[in-house]
Amino acid sequence: GAGVSQTPSNKVTEKGKYVELRCDPISGHTALYWYRQSLGQGPEFLIYFQGTGAADDSGLPNDRFFAVRPEGSVSTLKIQRTERGDSAMYLCASSPGTSGEQYFGPGTRLTVT
Amino acid sequence: AQKVTQAQTEISVVEKEDVTLDCVYETRDTTYYLFWYKQPPSGELVFLIRRNSFDEQNEISGRYSWNFQKSTSSFNFTITASQVVDSAVYFCALSYTSGTYKYIFGTGTRLKVLA
Repeated sequence: GAGVSQTPSNKVTEKGKYVELRCDPISGHTALYWYRQSLGQGPEFLIYFQGTGAADDSGLPNDRFFAVRPEGSVSTLKIQRTERGDSAMYLCASSPGTSGEQYFGPGTRLTVT
Repeated sequence: AQKVTQAQTEISVVEKEDVTLDCVYETRDTTYYLFWYKQPPSGELVFLIRRNSFDEQNEISGRYSWNFQKSTSSFNFTITASQVVDSAVYFCALSYTSGTYKYIFGTGTRLKVLA
């Protein structure tokens, strides 16, 4: 079956602009996670959804970052007033349940110039 | 606090050699999960294994094997008879068994297998 998909695969934006990153999880997976991976580092947790609600957003670095999952499937990570330090690979993962392993998408590489 | 340490930043081996990737973790929880993921040059993280903290049995899957030792808080990964296709960055991760199940990743080990 289809895996986790993320669009766009690459996004280049200017400092100060607004961006949206999209994640389509595996069908039927109720749990969805966003991570951020800087070069040479492991992924770092941003936010977790169980269904439609953000059950844990403790990893969001500041209030410029926001994510939604209105229908319990597709999720969008939104970044306002982007800064050069936001440049990273943004990974989405989904899981069939809260105890299962997570399946990752190919990521969106965000570059802020 | 939870932490995962992968002290080996990069390892190079010649094809057919065996190689072990180290993973040491810290947690105050008595129950937790441990994982290994592979990140090939394409970038997508590929799930390899999940281990429950209650299960210290070692596991073998083809050329891959995992050695989990709670006494030393280690979860090491061995590739036997390495192949060029094994070249990738390998991540060890830890998660809670309740709440969010979010992962805490190590910094990864880059494995280069030379032909």
